[in-house]
Amino acid sequence: NAGVTQTPKFQVLKTGQSMTLQCAQDMNHNSMYWYRQDPGMGLRLIYYSASEGTTDKGEVPNGYNVSRLNKREFSLRLESAAPSQTSVYFCASSSQGQPQHFGDGTRLSIL
Amino acid sequence: QQQVKQSPQSLIVQKGGISIINCAYENTAFDYFPWYQQFPGKGPALLIAIRPDVSEKKEGRFTISFNKSAKQFSLHIMDSQPGDSATYFCALGILTGGGNKLTFGTGTQLKVEL
Repeated sequence: NAGVTQTPKFQVLKTGQSMTLQCAQDMNHNSMYWYRQDPGMGLRLIYYSASEGTTDKGEVPNGYNVSRLNKREFSLRLESAAPSQTSVYFCASSSQGQPQHFGDGTRLSIL
Repeated sequence: QQQVKQSPQSLIVQKGGISIINCAYENTAFDYFPWYQQFPGKGPALLIAIRPDVSEKKEGRFTISFNKSAKQFSLHIMDSQPGDSATYFCALGILTGGGNKLTFGTGTQLKVEL
């Protein structure tokens, strides 16, 4: 099915380990986004990419890096994972002026 | 800082009843106001959205009411069904040259009982 695909779906890391979360969309959208969702906090924007070749910080960028690999793919990297980064991570994409479409998330636990 | 306040945090409604979720925001620089629905284990999905020049929008059993002067908007689910049991998020949307940015409320867990 067309949409936003996130991998992996689940991951457990130890404190200090690094990891890259992958996101790919097949809707030819220009913009892509990374959010984290924590209980009672809603979704908070980590980074976004308005178009291929550009990335910008969102509300909670500390501890993360992103790469817009091409129009389809937007990855999120944790260089040195911390327990505070335990969360559910969502990737989304949109075309200009249109609503965002979300993937089903990556559930990340950091011990 | 939280720009949008959503209430209630949780809500239980009987089948056939009306579910009402409210959001209030703090400034006026937004282009649209969407509501997202999220089922367990899934990502949020757009349910309905309204622009600030419209006071009400209805799609099926779902209605957004928007009060620009009070900086409030609400989601009404008429004839609520067990299948509506989910978490609902309001959001504030800004349309930029290259996409759009969303600021989400903290969510409302709705349970519709038989």
